[in-house]
Amino acid sequence: GQNIDQPTEMTATEGAIVQINCTYQTSGFNGLFWYQQHAGEAPTFLSYNVLDGLEEKGRFSSFLSRSKGYSYLLLKELQMKDSASYLCAAHNAGNMLTFGGGTRLMVKP
Amino acid sequence: GAVVSQHPSWVICKSGTSVKIECRSLDFQATTMFWYRQFPKQSLMLMATSNEGSKATYEQGVEKDKFLINHASLTLSTLTVTSAHPEDSSFYICSVQGIAGVTGELFFGEGSRLTVL
Repeated sequence: GQNIDQPTEMTATEGAIVQINCTYQTSGFNGLFWYQQHAGEAPTFLSYNVLDGLEEKGRFSSFLSRSKGYSYLLLKELQMKDSASYLCAAHNAGNMLTFGGGTRLMVKP
Repeated sequence: GAVVSQHPSWVICKSGTSVKIECRSLDFQATTMFWYRQFPKQSLMLMATSNEGSKATYEQGVEKDKFLINHASLTLSTLTVTSAHPEDSSFYICSVQGIAGVTGELFFGEGSRLTVL
């Protein structure tokens, strides 16, 4: 079966760095997506990791370890607008995405 | 990427009525669309895969007779919640997978928030 785990909630301070972890157990794994979702809105694409390692995109970076079934999203220089839910999703065989429960990040001044 | 439009954004209905939600792919032809449901403070749960010209594929536990999906054209899929009840109140989101760029990336509609009184 599919199992995607990530923390339910996290709190961080404006200007700080936060790391959101995601572990997965899936079959036919292709890659790992991260999406950002503000309350009441649709998710928006942040990153997609296929190979092991860190990919940096501005203030956001995403890491993948296929052997460990582990990924993290790193947010630097946190801003108040980064308060949102962050969803990791495993991209599996059959081109399907399985979403984790989402991590609600609250950024405080 | 892909532009996906969903309508209506908000709908309030009485218990027992049916509600139709439309999902349109505006800039490319989508043979497959996905319908998700999201309850408050929870993640996206795939309800069904909508296939143009054929029957939708429903996930386990989703009643196909209650959630009717029609994918009559390459740019339009509709989800009809029949005989809606308060427990059907949720955020319904459709999505399509892009054909270029990141393989498998989902592009989401704006979502439809359904409240059943």
